[in-house]
Amino acid sequence: ETGVTQSPTHLIKTRGQQVTLRCSSQSGHNTVSWYQQALGQGPQFIFQYYREEENGRGNFPPRFSGLQFPNYSSELNVNALELDDSALYLCASRRDNSPLHFGNGTRLTVT
Amino acid sequence: AQSVTQLDSQVPVFEEAPVELRCNYSSSVSVYLFWYVQYPNQGLQLLLKYLSGSTLVESINGFEAEFNKSQTSFHLRKPSVHISDTAEYFCAVRPISSGSARQLTFGSGTQLTVLP
Repeated sequence: ETGVTQSPTHLIKTRGQQVTLRCSSQSGHNTVSWYQQALGQGPQFIFQYYREEENGRGNFPPRFSGLQFPNYSSELNVNALELDDSALYLCASRRDNSPLHFGNGTRLTVT
Repeated sequence: AQSVTQLDSQVPVFEEAPVELRCNYSSSVSVYLFWYVQYPNQGLQLLLKYLSGSTLVESINGFEAEFNKSQTSFHLRKPSVHISDTAEYFCAVRPISSGSARQLTFGSGTQLTVLP
């Protein structure tokens, strides 16, 4: 039990639609990161939020956006979905310099 | 920028046999090194990490990894595997320097399958 909960566990969307994925972290985890894991690949860093501000971003287009809330929850939003966005999306959080705790992920399928 | 190469995508091994999962990395800055394990339909769990000090690090379930700076490697080993060790294993690095997002860069993973 890592204390990081993601919802939903599975999701099917159509190309061009928009999606919001949610993550609930442990109390006190002031940093949250999102990763995309395509089938058969390692996770790729999307972005990171620290105290509700984005403070790092990987090589993902602006249609990937996020929010972090004061209650230690966060969201990943993806607009104009493409087939290649099909992947497992992982949320991870930590407090200061402690190790990252990962959630079980949301499996997104874009048809 | 950093990159991580896991040389074997699949490693089948018989129960109670030893195993080594290989990991090499490339980075222009000093990094911390990690091994994560992913069981089916689950997220990643930290197996072990190298931050500083002794180059040999151990996990609570019998895995160990050795940091070799000259060869830029961080191979994972276990002297005797169990069926329950069947999982995907990911090697990852993270820059030591502060001030950046300090995100993890992962390899593509090694599927360890332990056979009875």
